[in-house]
Amino acid sequence: AQSVAQPEDQVNVAEGNPLTVKCTYSVSGNPYLFWYVQYPNRGLQFLLKYITGDNLVKGSYGFEAEFNKSQTSFHLKKPSALVSDSALYFCAVRGATGRRALTFGSGTRLQVQP
Amino acid sequence: DAGVTQSPTHLIKTRGQQVTLRCSPKSGHDTVSWYQQALGQGPQFIFQYYEEEERQRGNFPDRFSGHQFPNYSSELNVNALLLGDSALYLCASSFRGQGNYGYTFGSGTRLTVV
Repeated sequence: AQSVAQPEDQVNVAEGNPLTVKCTYSVSGNPYLFWYVQYPNRGLQFLLKYITGDNLVKGSYGFEAEFNKSQTSFHLKKPSALVSDSALYFCAVRGATGRRALTFGSGTRLQVQP
Repeated sequence: DAGVTQSPTHLIKTRGQQVTLRCSPKSGHDTVSWYQQALGQGPQFIFQYYEEEERQRGNFPDRFSGHQFPNYSSELNVNALLLGDSALYLCASSFRGQGNYGYTFGSGTRLTVV
């Protein structure tokens, strides 16, 4: 079975400071990892994904994520937070083979204070 | 280029009724997956359709059924609605030829069961 853990329900950061949203995963075989963002009453917007290759993945809106196989983590980062980054962030995983459905974490609410 | 289109955006149903939700995938995509997102939770996989057949299914009862049409659009049907079926229903499309890791989500249908 595959699973995702997002240990923080909420992350608070001041505008201009770096931010990190944590994610750990469990899956059989090689993982495909994703980050999505959700604004109120909206669907999911894709930020970035790791399929293979460089462990540091760069995505939309200045976000990046680092894949760490030994720690089974895929933390989302941004060097300088914006108030407009305030939203709900979801990490998701699926295996490279077999089951093609995404398994999502419970989400982390990011609050960026001016 | 239109993304994933879902209809309706909102609807209210009474317990015991039946509901049909609709999804048009992104142009060029041939696979449709449905997810249920209860309030305060991450999306949960319901099922996936490819070539007009259900290919994978999550842990949802048979009250949840679906269909995919030759133009790749899809419907989600829920019978005998329960209060607990109230949620945001998300449709995601992808292209199987890409290994199904380029997922595009719609904005969802908010279902309220009263």
